[in-house]
Amino acid sequence: EAGVVQSPRYKIIEKKQPVAFWCNPISGHNTLYWYLQNLGQGPELLIRYENEEAVDDSQLPKDRFSAERLKGVDSTLKIQPAELGDSAVYLCASSPGGETQYFGPGTRLLVL
Amino acid sequence: DQQVKQNSPSLSVQEGRISILNCDYTNSMFDYFLWYKKYPAEGPTFLISISSIKDKNEDGRFTVFLNKSAKHLSLHIVPSQPGDSAVYFCAAWGNTGRRALTFGSGTRLQVQP
Repeated sequence: EAGVVQSPRYKIIEKKQPVAFWCNPISGHNTLYWYLQNLGQGPELLIRYENEEAVDDSQLPKDRFSAERLKGVDSTLKIQPAELGDSAVYLCASSPGGETQYFGPGTRLLVL
Repeated sequence: DQQVKQNSPSLSVQEGRISILNCDYTNSMFDYFLWYKKYPAEGPTFLISISSIKDKNEDGRFTVFLNKSAKHLSLHIVPSQPGDSAVYFCAAWGNTGRRALTFGSGTRLQVQP
């Protein structure tokens, strides 16, 4: 069974530029999460989807971050414009429901 | 406030010995506790979990103990192997409210050959 796929794996951009991350969850997993992981810390939730509906986006900085999950499968997370403090690892996870989540390899973003 | 805490940023043990990783939490409403293992440049990998109604769960070399009265859990790895060297994250999940994992800051385990 294929795991959670994320791309790109690494991204370097200049501040104020836009950037987008893509996630393909495990087949059949209705719940999709985006987490942010800063250096030396654990992942923190940005947004949770149940199918195509964003059911918890309370931690998403909506002035610059947006996300979508069209057709309830793949998802994209966008930052526009990026700031220096956005440098981090962006993790996507999926779940069939319940507590166990399966993570992708993450996208490591560096904003210069 | 940090609802899940891992107070030891690092731990070093000899191969073959026991590794004990600790985790404390503050929210008594958590239903499940999970341990994830993370290698560099990879995403966290699910290792083992325990329901809040149990006090022990075992899977091969890995055992998780839960002490609800102390709001404390621990992961025991016996015997430790060099391949166990990684960062271990404790996470908690509630069946109500956010329904997302709340993670600790991780403990880096180094198993010396």
